[in-house]
Amino acid sequence: DAGITQSPRHKVTETGTPVTLRCHQTENHRYMYWYRQDPGHGLRLIHYSYGVKDTDKGEVSDGYSVSRSKTEDFLLTLESATSSQTSVYFCAISVEVNTEAFFGQGTRLTVV
Amino acid sequence: DAKTTQPNSMESNEEEPVHLPCNHSTISGTDYIHWYRQLPSQGPEYVIHGLTSNVNNRMASLAIAEDRKSSTLILHRATLRDAAVYYCILRGHSGGSNYKLTFGKGTLLTVNP
Repeated sequence: DAGITQSPRHKVTETGTPVTLRCHQTENHRYMYWYRQDPGHGLRLIHYSYGVKDTDKGEVSDGYSVSRSKTEDFLLTLESATSSQTSVYFCAISVEVNTEAFFGQGTRLTVV
Repeated sequence: DAKTTQPNSMESNEEEPVHLPCNHSTISGTDYIHWYRQLPSQGPEYVIHGLTSNVNNRMASLAIAEDRKSSTLILHRATLRDAAVYYCILRGHSGGSNYKLTFGKGTLLTVNP
């Protein structure tokens, strides 16, 4: 299995609180991605990174920010969590644009 | 972004071959065709990818039409563990936004014992 770890795996938080999800890889892959998955919507890209300090928005980036200060870590931050951000979040990594991507096990976030 | 079209669902019997189709009529010359699957309660899993030629690996085969406007994922002998949602995705070679790995709704494969 690819060395990709998401933390925490489960989290319950209150509306309005900040939340940071971490994706850690040991593969030295250049590309990293954050997705969310909701019933009826499938997987939607939030943000992605194509190198250290190089990030860009995906299709559902509002309310989220990311940071990548090291190759191995890609952080997703909800500045002020809302109930609509209750979801399962997946991190993914890939070596290059046209190579296979490897996904983490997911983080189930519940905002109450 | 170039889009793909897949059937919403398909059904197969255990130990029989399964052919999962994907149409991608707006594919560009540098787009790779990727297939992923997602088992229940798990993250997506890479299956196979190709550019022009047919590809085989331990999990499946990928047959790509000569004009590249369609492709078929072939599972040679379906097992109950192959029951999953299968995604066909086009992925750009470089530049632009096509390397984002954009998922559609995929095909839900049911395997009957």
